[in-house]
Amino acid sequence: SAVISQKPSRDICQRGTSLTIQCQVDSQVTMMFWYRQQPGQSLTLIATANQGSEATYESGFVIDKFPISRPNLTFSTLTVSNMSPEDSSIYLCSDGQAGYGYTFGSGTRLTVV
Amino acid sequence: DAKTTQPPSMDCAEGRAANLPCNHSTISGNEYVYWYRQIHSQGPQYIIHGLKNNETNEMASLIITEDRKSSTLILPHATLRDTAVYYCIVSGAGGTSYGKLTFGQGTILTVHP
Repeated sequence: SAVISQKPSRDICQRGTSLTIQCQVDSQVTMMFWYRQQPGQSLTLIATANQGSEATYESGFVIDKFPISRPNLTFSTLTVSNMSPEDSSIYLCSDGQAGYGYTFGSGTRLTVV
Repeated sequence: DAKTTQPPSMDCAEGRAANLPCNHSTISGNEYVYWYRQIHSQGPQYIIHGLKNNETNEMASLIITEDRKSSTLILPHATLRDTAVYYCIVSGAGGTSYGKLTFGQGTILTVHP
């Protein structure tokens, strides 16, 4: 199965600022996915990141708030823009390779103060 | 993707088998059943998946009923380290739903000494 390195693992940010989260996969994958896990809740899909095209966002998530880059088949970034305390969550990426089940990064725990 | 129903919590004694049920009565013919677990808000860990046959790997066994409307994840010899939230997810193998996982609330499994 793939190995995904995600960073930062955690951060504390001031409201109004932005944070970029990076995910690096050790193999080429066509699609990557970004999820949010709010405190005490389950995971919710934010968007699908495709290489060479714009990301596809799920209902309730918009590109201006969560811009995504996918410059190549092993890397993606998610930016949380103009943060507010409501954005405090764990953000996770996953690959789209189903061979051994989809692999997740270890998550970024974001606290906005 | 089909919706799943899981008990909110279960207990299991260390060394005994843990049997986690999942109902997915609206599953369609090309949808797989996936099981993941999440420990202490780490990234979800893939356990096993199947289409209609029972599956076994080094971590667990997956029993899917003949009508595919329910399944059971079996951890044969539970340890304290198996304490986690277990998610049963139904996901399509292709098309626009490929790679997307819809997480419910899962089952909190507590393994006690």
